Amino acid sequence: QQQVKQSPQSLIVQKGGISIINCAYENTAFDYFPWYQQFPGKGPALLIAIRPDVSEKKEGRFTISFNKSAKQFSLHIMDSQPGDSATYFCAASKGGNQFYFGTGTSLTVIP
Amino acid sequence: GAGVSQSPSNKVTEKGKDVELRCDPISGHTALYWYRQSLGQGLEFLIYFQGNSAPDKSGLPSDRFSAERTGGSVSTLTIQRTQQEDSAVYLCASSLVPKRTEAFFGQGTRLTVV
Repeated sequence: QQQVKQSPQSLIVQKGGISIINCAYENTAFDYFPWYQQFPGKGPALLIAIRPDVSEKKEGRFTISFNKSAKQFSLHIMDSQPGDSATYFCAASKGGNQFYFGTGTSLTVIP
Repeated sequence: GAGVSQSPSNKVTEKGKDVELRCDPISGHTALYWYRQSLGQGLEFLIYFQGNSAPDKSGLPSDRFSAERTGGSVSTLTIQRTQQEDSAVYLCASSLVPKRTEAFFGQGTRLTVV
């Protein structure tokens, strides 16, 4: 059973556009929702994270929107750049003991 | 060390052979995780260590898979009698303590079973 569902599987965006990746979860006990960015041949790296007591978190061009009642959260990349092309994973954890990852979104930003 | 180190970076093995994958976590990190990433798939949880004990090994796909951690540091993931479906990238991550939820990943070991 997939604890965290992520969509879309792949995304192509023009340079300067907005990239949006969505995730949904079922377990209301989850209390930490990170997003990881993975470049080819590299391990995932933490990009930005949010806890359920806030509805939005912004770091530079990256924003997480969190909807606790809908059990959904999303990553928005503003002014997308070719260097943002990577695979993005959402995740959820409960107490930090185990991470449940989405299936990943391959983002391609075309110049 | 500066980051999570995994070795080897690539491993090609024949079906039926045993393999050992190694993970050196960031010094002082007490929590260690193993994940598997198959081509085009997400990250599949395998096992979690807190210190040398494994409170959650529910993700190990079969009894051919085992893992240990010694001295609260290095961990090895062993796959016995490898099968072609074991081909994947095996990723290790560590974090300072379970409650400090940022996990740092290594670059992974790409395992190919031929």
